[in-house]
Amino acid sequence: KQEVTQIPAALSVPEGENLVLNCSFTDSAIYNLQWFRQDPGKGLTSLLLIQSSQREQTSGRLNASLDKSSGRSTLYIAASQPGDSATYLCAVGRSNSGYALNFGKGTSLLVTP
Amino acid sequence: SAVISQKPSRDICQRGTSLTIQCQVDSQVTMMFWYRQQPGQSLTLIATANQGSEATYESGFVIDKFPISRPNLTFSTLTVSNMSPEDSSIYLCSVTSGRALREQFFGPGTRLTVL
Repeated sequence: KQEVTQIPAALSVPEGENLVLNCSFTDSAIYNLQWFRQDPGKGLTSLLLIQSSQREQTSGRLNASLDKSSGRSTLYIAASQPGDSATYLCAVGRSNSGYALNFGKGTSLLVTP
Repeated sequence: SAVISQKPSRDICQRGTSLTIQCQVDSQVTMMFWYRQQPGQSLTLIATANQGSEATYESGFVIDKFPISRPNLTFSTLTVSNMSPEDSSIYLCSVTSGRALREQFFGPGTRLTVL
């Protein structure tokens, strides 16, 4: 069974800092990996999708990397802003069973002004 | 990306009753899923909703408790049956978009409280 772990569970940083969120998974036979953002009381917003054959994806101030062989992914946020405050979820796409996702428990990020 | 709506957005229900949650997508999609997010926890897959056939359930979830329908490629329902306080969660539907990419998009969720 795929296990997805996210470290740290919570993080508080001052505005402007660069930060890294970590995700690890136990089974390297994945189809893809997605990073989501969840704001309190709201659904999930897809941030980045990395295919299993890719090493990284970038969108604006966000950069996600994938090392499938070691079972690790990182989400890098540059020049953090208070609006980045949210819970960030890492989800691994199964290579079978219809490509459903296995989620980590998330990193709760607070960016202070 | 697909636009997904869910009804109701929230509800408060009595123990022993059932609630049906609807998920509507603005375009035809191949895969639809139902997830549960218990308080303070991450998302757990309940089942894959299959069009025209029975849903595929994850270990720990059964059809009698969570019957699912998917009559076409844009709509699905999840029923939470004989509810107990332990069923208090956010229930989310999701779809995949892009045949090769399989990127998943989520609805806004249904927040259920069982008293």
